[in-house]
Amino acid sequence: DVKVTQSSRYLVKRTGEKVFLECVQDMDHENMFWYRQDPGLGLRLIYFSYDVKMKEKGDIPEGYSVSREKKERFSLILESASTNQTSMYLCASSLQGARNQPQHFGDGTRLSIL
Amino acid sequence: AQSVTQLGSHVSVSEGALVLLRCNYSSSVPPYLFWYVQYPNQGLQLLLKYTTGATLVKGINGFEAEFKKSETSFHLTKPSAHMSDAAEYFCAVIESGAGSYQLTFGKGTKLSVIP
Repeated sequence: DVKVTQSSRYLVKRTGEKVFLECVQDMDHENMFWYRQDPGLGLRLIYFSYDVKMKEKGDIPEGYSVSREKKERFSLILESASTNQTSMYLCASSLQGARNQPQHFGDGTRLSIL
Repeated sequence: AQSVTQLGSHVSVSEGALVLLRCNYSSSVPPYLFWYVQYPNQGLQLLLKYTTGATLVKGINGFEAEFKKSETSFHLTKPSAHMSDAAEYFCAVIESGAGSYQLTFGKGTKLSVIP
C-alpha cells in the first residue's frame, strides 16, 4: 500500500513565522503535489513536482514555496505566515507515465496561524 | 481546460435509502474520472475511477459510478446508505493523453446519513 506521511496533523504558528510542512511517500512516485482545502472551495493546487529539484506553480502559489531535494520528500514552505493561510493542507503523490493512476493522499495538516 | 461541477454541496439521505451524488465535467479530450471520499480529519481515499472500457465502474464500500459521455456526467451511487457513509465526496478529472498530471477537483459534496 502506498503511504504518504505528513509530519504533523495539527500545527499552530504565529503571523510572520516561517513554516515548514513536510511530506514523505514510500512508493517511489515521481509526482508530488501540495493542496490546500477550505470549506466550500474544495481542493486547490498550490505547487507540484514531477522530479527531484523540479517544481511547478499550481493555481494558488502566492505566499508559498516548495523544496524537493529527494524523490520521496516534498516540503511546503510558508515564507511569512499570515492568518489567511489558516487551512487544511494535503500532500499527494502519483506515478508518472500513467495518467490514469490515482493520486494518493496523506492525512493532512490542519494549520492555524494566530 | 477541464472543470468539474458537483451539484449540491450538502446531501442528506435516510439510512437504507439510495445515495446519488452528481458530478458533471468538461474536458476537451477523453477524460479519466475519479471519485474520492474524505472522512472527518482524514485525507482523501480513492473510491473508484474510470479510465477506459466499461462505463459502469464499481468501487469500494458498495459504491459505483457510470460514465455517460453524452451527458458529460459521472454520478456516484449506492443502493442503500449506511451510517458509515457520512463523509465528504470529491469528483475529479484529468485529461487523457500527453500533458499535465494535475487533477481538477469539484468543490465536494458532504453526505449526511439520517438514522
